[in-house]
Amino acid sequence: AQSVTQLGSHVSVSEGALVLLRCNYSSSVPPYLFWYVQYPNQGLQLLLKYTSAATLVKGINGFEAEFKKSETSFHLTKPSAHMSDAAEYFCAVSERNRDDKIIFGKGTRLHILP
Amino acid sequence: EPEVTQTPSHQVTQMGQEVILRCVPISNHLYFYWYRQILGQKVEFLVSFYNNEISEKSEIFDDRFSVERPDGSNFTLKIRSTKLEDSAMYFCASRGLAGETQYFGPGTRLLVL
Repeated sequence: AQSVTQLGSHVSVSEGALVLLRCNYSSSVPPYLFWYVQYPNQGLQLLLKYTSAATLVKGINGFEAEFKKSETSFHLTKPSAHMSDAAEYFCAVSERNRDDKIIFGKGTRLHILP
Repeated sequence: EPEVTQTPSHQVTQMGQEVILRCVPISNHLYFYWYRQILGQKVEFLVSFYNNEISEKSEIFDDRFSVERPDGSNFTLKIRSTKLEDSAMYFCASRGLAGETQYFGPGTRLLVL
């Protein structure tokens, strides 16, 4: 069975500081990995995805994530936080080669301090 | 850019009533999904649908729930005999034949009173 663990339900960073949101996954087969962002009262927007090409994945809004198989991790980073980055971030996993469900982590709410 | 749309954006109903949540997936997509998110909790898978039948469903998707693709564009989630605990945001998603990315709609917030 697949699962996702996001460390830290709330993370606060200062504007301009590095953003690091941690995600570890468990999967018995090679996974697809995703980061979705949810702004207040809005739906889910795909930030980036890992599908077996490059292990360092670049997404929208300056975010990137690195797939580390040995650590079963897919942490999300951004070099310099903006106030507009304040949102809920969900790490997610699904099985490759199947029309399968996405399993979401519990989410990390990112707060940006002025 | 094509997007998934959902109606209504908000739905309030009395416990025991039936509700139908509607979704229009991206036009060339073939896989369809419903997820829900109870307030303050994580997004949970409900059901996946392909080739006019359910591919997989979670234990949340009990016999009060049903899905249908009544025509070539809509994908609906029906909940009969609604319960207070059905109150949540319901997201529809769709995926293309060769793609791995599910695209999510903006959600329908359901409140059962």
